[in-house]
Amino acid sequence: GAGVSQSPRYKVAKRGQDVALRCDPISGHVSLFWYQQALGQGPEFLTYFQNEAQLDKSGLPSDRFFAERPEGSVSTLKIQRTQQEDSAVYLCASSASERGTQYFGPGTRLTVL
Amino acid sequence: GNSVTQMEGPVTLSEEAFLTINCTYTATGYPSLFWYVQYPGEGLQLLLKATKADDKGSNKGFEATYRKETTSFHLEKGSVQVSDSAVYFCALTTNSGGSNYKLTFGKGTLLTVNP
Repeated sequence: GAGVSQSPRYKVAKRGQDVALRCDPISGHVSLFWYQQALGQGPEFLTYFQNEAQLDKSGLPSDRFFAERPEGSVSTLKIQRTQQEDSAVYLCASSASERGTQYFGPGTRLTVL
Repeated sequence: GNSVTQMEGPVTLSEEAFLTINCTYTATGYPSLFWYVQYPGEGLQLLLKATKADDKGSNKGFEATYRKETTSFHLEKGSVQVSDSAVYFCALTTNSGGSNYKLTFGKGTLLTVNP
């Protein structure tokens, strides 16, 4: 079966632009996570969904970051008015349950110029 | 808070050499410990895990033992192959604060194995 997919794989944005990053989790996985990975660092937690409910958004770095999962499947991470410090790889992961093994997608590399 | 400290890389070895990548942690509550691997151009994959003290996780010839007394989870492999070249991340979750799903990662260690 298909794993977690993310699109686009690469995104270049000018400072101030809005971007939207998509995640398609493994079919049937109720839990979905977003992580941010800066260059040379490990991933850092951003937010967690259980089905369509966003249960934890404690890791979102500012109110410019917004995530949604309206039908409990595909999720979108939106960044408004991008800044250079937003440049990173954004990873999506899904799992069959809250404490289940998290399966990661390949990530979207965002570069803000 | 939770944190993971792992051996800085890069690590360069010859094929069939012995590998150790050190990982230590601090955690609130009782952690579960993980090693993830990221091959070039691919997503993070779970390599192995251990959920309680003295457990040994193993997979693909890699092993790591959960040592509560030294708060460590060192990754070892007896004989590395070129195909093991990747970035390795140590990580944990804890059962504290109701967020037992939240992975905390180390910075990663780049391993290069030469033929």
